[in-house]
Amino acid sequence: GQNIDQPTEMTATEGAIVQINCTYQTSGFNGLFWYQQHAGEAPTFLSYNVLDGLEEKGRFSSFLSRSKGYSYLLLKELQMKDSASYLCATMDSNYQLIWGAGTKLIIKP
Amino acid sequence: GAVVSQHPSRVICKSGTSVKIECRSLDFQATTMFWYRQFPKQSLMLMATSNEGSKATYEQGVEKDKFLINHASLTLSTLTVTSAHPEDSSFYICSAREQGELEQFFGPGTRLTVL
Repeated sequence: GQNIDQPTEMTATEGAIVQINCTYQTSGFNGLFWYQQHAGEAPTFLSYNVLDGLEEKGRFSSFLSRSKGYSYLLLKELQMKDSASYLCATMDSNYQLIWGAGTKLIIKP
Repeated sequence: GAVVSQHPSRVICKSGTSVKIECRSLDFQATTMFWYRQFPKQSLMLMATSNEGSKATYEQGVEKDKFLINHASLTLSTLTVTSAHPEDSSFYICSAREQGELEQFFGPGTRLTVL
């Protein structure tokens, strides 16, 4: 079967660092995406990993371990505007996205 | 980056009426478009995948006669919710992908409320 797990909710402090984990079991794998979604808005693309390792893009980094079926999104120097849901999605053998339920990130001053 | 628009952004209708939602890729040719539905505090649920010029592929449990999808051109796909009922109230989001590319670009979504 196909399954993606990520925490439902996380809380962090402005200026701090937070890591959002995602574990997956999918039939076929063509990469893993992270999207950010603010309430009432459509998702926006953050990162794509298909090879093992860390991809850094400004304050956001994403890591993938294919052998462990594991990824994380690392957010540094948190800002209040980072309060949003973060969606982990894998691309299966048919190039369709399989979505996790999302992690709601709450940033406190 | 690529831009996808959706219209309308918000619609309120009476039960039993039909509602059409348009999804347009503004600066690229979308050979594949996806329609999602998202209920409050839940993740995206893929409803159907449409390829330009061919019939849409619906996910299990999605009624093709109720949710009519047309992808007549490389820049436009429409979703028509026929005989809408209150349980169809949801956030409908489209995304588009260019041929040979992996990334999907999302429209801003349409909030449908059926009274």
